[in-house]
Amino acid sequence: QSVLTQPPSASGTPGQRVTISCSGSTSNVGSNYVYWYQQLPGSAPKLLIYKDDQRPSGVPDQFSGSKSGISASLAISGLRSEAEADYYCASWDDSLAGYVFGPGTKVSVL
Amino acid sequence: QVQLVQSGAEVKKPGASVRVSCKASGYTFIGHYVHWVRQAPGQGPEWMGWINPNSGDTTYAQKFEGRVTMTRVTFINTVYMELSSLRSDDTAVYYCARDQGHVDTAPYMWGQGTLITVSS
Repeated sequence: QSVLTQPPSASGTPGQRVTISCSGSTSNVGSNYVYWYQQLPGSAPKLLIYKDDQRPSGVPDQFSGSKSGISASLAISGLRSEAEADYYCASWDDSLAGYVFGPGTKVSVL
Repeated sequence: QVQLVQSGAEVKKPGASVRVSCKASGYTFIGHYVHWVRQAPGQGPEWMGWINPNSGDTTYAQKFEGRVTMTRVTFINTVYMELSSLRSDDTAVYYCARDQGHVDTAPYMWGQGTLITVSS
């Protein structure tokens, strides 16, 4: 069981905006930064969002992150087939003294 | 360009140990923490710990304390992760990942992964 909760799947049509949620607790999301990773099949995870809402160099602005309390969200706008992947949230957990990852959300483009 | 190149896949028997290497290039090796993260088939990633290549200091996830050892050899820009007392549920892809240095310490750039299969 993961300490972070994500919906198992999300979908949208091309051009739509899709939002993925990540729910935690006061020991992780509520008091530490949230990160979002994209994982394409057979590849290593790629960092999309760090420190709740910051994009690393090279990540397009179609990806955006936000956080409120113990919940965070990743939004993908202008959905394209290339966005079909698994998306994981992560955060430092003070109780576990380590990073924790969510179970992942599979995004499909219909 | 920044690269983290990991050692190849291995098959191990239960009870054995495995050591995975991660060779860094394209950046200042001692300037970035290196994390180890594993991912079992069909599961989300699981953080195992990190090493400061400059000092050799390590922080391990509670789950792996006593079973994992992370080390580095600075003159060849390589970090190692050794996991002992292997069980079948240790079967996973093991990744090393570098942080963003002064910007942020979470896993940022990842190696290609190393599949470790534990089977009798």
